[in-house]
Amino acid sequence: AQTVTQSQPEMSVQEAETVTLSCTYDTSENNYYLFWYKQPPSRQMILVIRQEAYKQQNATENRFSVNFQKAAKSFSLKISDSQLGDTAMYFCAFMKHGSNYQLIWGAGTKLIIKP
Amino acid sequence: EPEVTQTPSHQVTQMGQEVILRCVPISNHLYFYWYRQILGQKVEFLVSFYNNEISEKSEIFDDQFSVERPDGSNFTLKIRSTKLEDSAMYFCASSDRGVDEQFFGPGTRLTVL
Repeated sequence: AQTVTQSQPEMSVQEAETVTLSCTYDTSENNYYLFWYKQPPSRQMILVIRQEAYKQQNATENRFSVNFQKAAKSFSLKISDSQLGDTAMYFCAFMKHGSNYQLIWGAGTKLIIKP
Repeated sequence: EPEVTQTPSHQVTQMGQEVILRCVPISNHLYFYWYRQILGQKVEFLVSFYNNEISEKSEIFDDQFSVERPDGSNFTLKIRSTKLEDSAMYFCASSDRGVDEQFFGPGTRLTVL
């Protein structure tokens, strides 16, 4: 069975700083997808970034980038030039290819951006 | 921008009662999901639905649970006889292709007394 671990329950940084959220996962699969979702306070979860395991290049979306280390089963999220609107719960999730697309979730990291 | 909606936002029910949680997925999406999050715990997959049938369900999704797409727009989760441990936030999601981004609704908080 697959598991996803987020070891940082809460983090806080000053606005404009860079922050890295860690995520590790355990799987014997070779083909899978990894996701970071953001859940702002009292709002729905939205996708931040998606990585396909067969792609060696790390995914980037504007200020958000990942460090995908397949051998180490690590998938960290880096947020550059953090903004107040980045304050949210961040969830790392795993999807096995051909699994009928269920997401397996980490426990989440509460990120607070301080002004 | 299209979004997934869920009603009600909060449902309080007595143990043993039936509840129906409603979701309206994004209109052109083909894959539908229910997840739940018990307070303080991880989000857990319940069920996925495609082509008018369940494609996968977790161990949590026992005979007390059922899903339906009654009219081509709504997607419902029914819990036949609620238990205290069913108290959780229930999230509906939909996607265009299974491997793509799942779009989530805001959730329904179910409280079983």
